[in-house]
Amino acid sequence: SQKIEQNSEALNIQEGKTATLTCNYTNYSPAYLQWYRQDPGRGPVFLLLIRENEKEKRKERLKVTFDTTLKQSLFHITASQPADSATYLCALEGQAGTALIFGKGTTLSVSS
Amino acid sequence: KAGVTQTPRYLIKTRGQQVTLSCSPISGHRSVSWYQQTPGQGLQFLFEYFSETQRNKGNFPGRFSGRQFSNSRSEMNVSTLELGDSALYLCASSLRQGSTEAFFGQGTRLTVV
Repeated sequence: SQKIEQNSEALNIQEGKTATLTCNYTNYSPAYLQWYRQDPGRGPVFLLLIRENEKEKRKERLKVTFDTTLKQSLFHITASQPADSATYLCALEGQAGTALIFGKGTTLSVSS
Repeated sequence: KAGVTQTPRYLIKTRGQQVTLSCSPISGHRSVSWYQQTPGQGLQFLFEYFSETQRNKGNFPGRFSGRQFSNSRSEMNVSTLELGDSALYLCASSLRQGSTEAFFGQGTRLTVV
């Protein structure tokens, strides 16, 4: 069955460092991969979308890579800040018309 | 423009009862998806509606059902509630199916006692 794994439930880093979160998947051929941020008690908020034919995408301090051979996406937050502390979710989508499926998320804590 | 609105925000029900949750998508969005979120299982896909038709369905029992109206508003219903149905139910709307970001509501926190 399809499986999405995010490398760890929790990641603790110091302010100013780069946070790297991993999303691995099996038994799936996603056409798109998305990353979301979720704060406690709130719904997820979209951050970035990357297509299967794209290797990398950037937005401000965020960078996402997508390796369909390794079946893996890496999500980087550079110069991390305490305000970046949240749960980050990766989500996969097949070809148009299929559902958006989420991983369980990684909770990032950035300490000052 | 207004975001995705889910009502009610909080709900307490007794085992065996049924419940209906409502979701109003962003104006112009035709795709609505529902998710169940629990600490142990994360965000699990329930179903997706597009133009009043259920397009995708997750692996949940038939007690979970939904529908979408012509104005794109959606409801989900859970019958014969079980303690394990306690969760945060999230609704997400999208402009269209596929390759587009999903906008989530704040969710409905359902507690079954």
